[in-house]
Amino acid sequence: GENVEQHPSTLSVQEGDSAVIKCTYSDSASNYFPWYKQELGKRPQLIIDIRSNVGEKKDQRIAVTLNKTAKHFSLHITETQPEDSAVYFCAAYYTGGGNKLTFGTGTQLKVEL
Amino acid sequence: KAGVTQTPRYLIKTRGQQVTLSCSPISGHRSVSWYQQTPGQGLQFLFEYFSETQRNKGNFPGRFSGRQFSNSRSEMNVSTLELGDSALYLCASSRETSGMAVAYEQYFGPGTRLTVT
Repeated sequence: GENVEQHPSTLSVQEGDSAVIKCTYSDSASNYFPWYKQELGKRPQLIIDIRSNVGEKKDQRIAVTLNKTAKHFSLHITETQPEDSAVYFCAAYYTGGGNKLTFGTGTQLKVEL
Repeated sequence: KAGVTQTPRYLIKTRGQQVTLSCSPISGHRSVSWYQQTPGQGLQFLFEYFSETQRNKGNFPGRFSGRQFSNSRSEMNVSTLELGDSALYLCASSRETSGMAVAYEQYFGPGTRLTVT
């Protein structure tokens, strides 16, 4: 089955700096890659996603890139703010039928003042 | 539109008991997935239902089961609870309507925090 690895597990940046979180997936047939942000005690929230026919997608301060050949995808957050502090999860969509997302292990992002 | 809702939000059970959790998807969403979230294992897929049929299943023992009703609401049941079942159980709904298993965005509910003592 699909396996998703996520790095780093923790990331600390200064406010205003950029943050990058990287994921790799194993199933070359995966074609949809969402990112979720989960604040403490809250539900995971979809913040951005990318499909396999696109190499990059941006939404204000966040962007996601996908390298299908290397089976890598990354989340980029620019001009980080304290409210960006949360756990971020990447996921890959399993193409064996049905909506099954395989999640990475999460990255705890801390934005320091 | 109202978001995904889950009941109850918190639950305390003892080993050996069984529990039923409920999920109401976003109106119009027909696909409901369930996930278990623990600090050690992260977010793990339990199963997915579409039009009252289980379409996909994760690697969990048979003590974990679910069902979906004609109004797309879903329930999951855990029998013979073990201490290791303590977790946050999340459901997510997707607006997929075609049954073609094309990837659609999944939106999560707030979860049910289950504690087994």
